[in-house]
Parts: sequence; C-alpha cells; structure tokens
Amino acid sequence: QKEVEQNSGPLSVPEGAIASLNCTYSDRGSQSFFWYRQYSGKSPELIMFIYSNGDKEDGRFTAQLNKASQYVSLLIRDSQPSDSATYLCAVSRMDSSYKLIFGSGTRLLVRP
Amino acid sequence: GAGVSQTPSNKVTEKGKYVELRCDPISGHTALYWYRQSLGQGPEFLIYFQGTGAADDSGLPNDRFFAVRPEGSVSTLKIQRTERGDSAVYLCASSPLGGINTGELFFGEGSRLTVL
Repeated sequence: QKEVEQNSGPLSVPEGAIASLNCTYSDRGSQSFFWYRQYSGKSPELIMFIYSNGDKEDGRFTAQLNKASQYVSLLIRDSQPSDSATYLCAVSRMDSSYKLIFGSGTRLLVRP
Repeated sequence: GAGVSQTPSNKVTEKGKYVELRCDPISGHTALYWYRQSLGQGPEFLIYFQGTGAADDSGLPNDRFFAVRPEGSVSTLKIQRTERGDSAVYLCASSPLGGINTGELFFGEGSRLTVL
C-alpha cells in the first residue's frame, strides 16, 4: 500500500463546475497536508496546506481534512481551463516535517 | 536569480557513466532538497540539507548516489555508474528555514536524466 494514494484520473469537468480531488494516506503519524499543482513539463507549486481537521478556504480553493478517516481533499470552485494540471497531494510527519511524501497525482481536465 | 536554478535541464548519458546535476537555490534559503520524479509518479524524496550538512539522506536509493553542498548554497547531486532505471526528472527545491513547516518548497524546473 502506498503511503499517499490518489486516483490518477483524468478527472474531466466542464468550465465553471466544482472539481473535487481526493487523497488518502496510511500513516497516522502524518501531521501536515499539502496540495501542489504541476503543469505538464513544469515543476510543482504549492496551492494550499492544512493541519487541522475541517475546511480551509483560499479563494476558489478549499482544502478539507479528516484525520479520523485519513482523508484529505481539494475542491476547486468555478473551474477554469487554466486549472487543467496534475494535482499532487503530499503529507509530512511530525518527526520529519521537512520530508514531503507525495502521491502520484490526479490529472484534472477542465473543458471549455 | 529569482528562483531555483538547475543545470543541465536535459542530460543524456550512457549506462555506466558518471553524471553531476547542479542546483542553485534561492538566495538566503538554508534548506535544500533533492527529489526524483519518474513519469506518472509524484516526486520522491532523496536528500535534505540544512546548511552545509545532509540532515537526512535516507531517500538516496543506493551508494551510487551522493550529494554535496560544501558552502551551504549550491548543491551537486552525483550519480556513479548510471543505470537505465536512474532515468527520471531530478528536482531540486529550497525553502527558508521558517518555510519548512508550511511545506512550501520552491522547486526548480528539474534536470531530466536519460540513461541509454
């Protein structure tokens, strides 16, 4: 079992819709959770991080964390074609907060 | 420069050869990381430097891989006796000390290594 699991996709949504990206993790010692966006042929860039159970909103993005279920998600409202990319979920442990464990990513396609 | 700079952007080599990949982090960032990303996978942690020292090299696959950061700035990842399985994009990232806990790693554009 991989430490961080994501559906590879592609997840295809129409422009203006809500895109929901999901991630599960196996290590209960995971403390911090991150979503990175990676455009094709480019390097990853941080979108959001979340530490506490519940929701965290930043503009069109909302991260949701449920530690009991070991589940973290990213919602993108009013999806735009420019949001088409691979979204990487990453976690880190308290005892090695510098080390990010990445999932394989979910490819998102936003149809105009 | 403004961002993390990696050279070369592309490297093609033959099996068994030695390669060096260079990373120039954002000025003032004390933390430097190397990750490796294979096609269709997420980045995989290799090594973390805090200043000049390797604080965690547990992700290096074997003793053919070695990395240095002698002056606490530029880092070089060295791969001896390359194998076809080493083909991947090698990503370097840096962060300010305070950035570690927010997970904000600033990645370079990567060095794509192809071993024939």
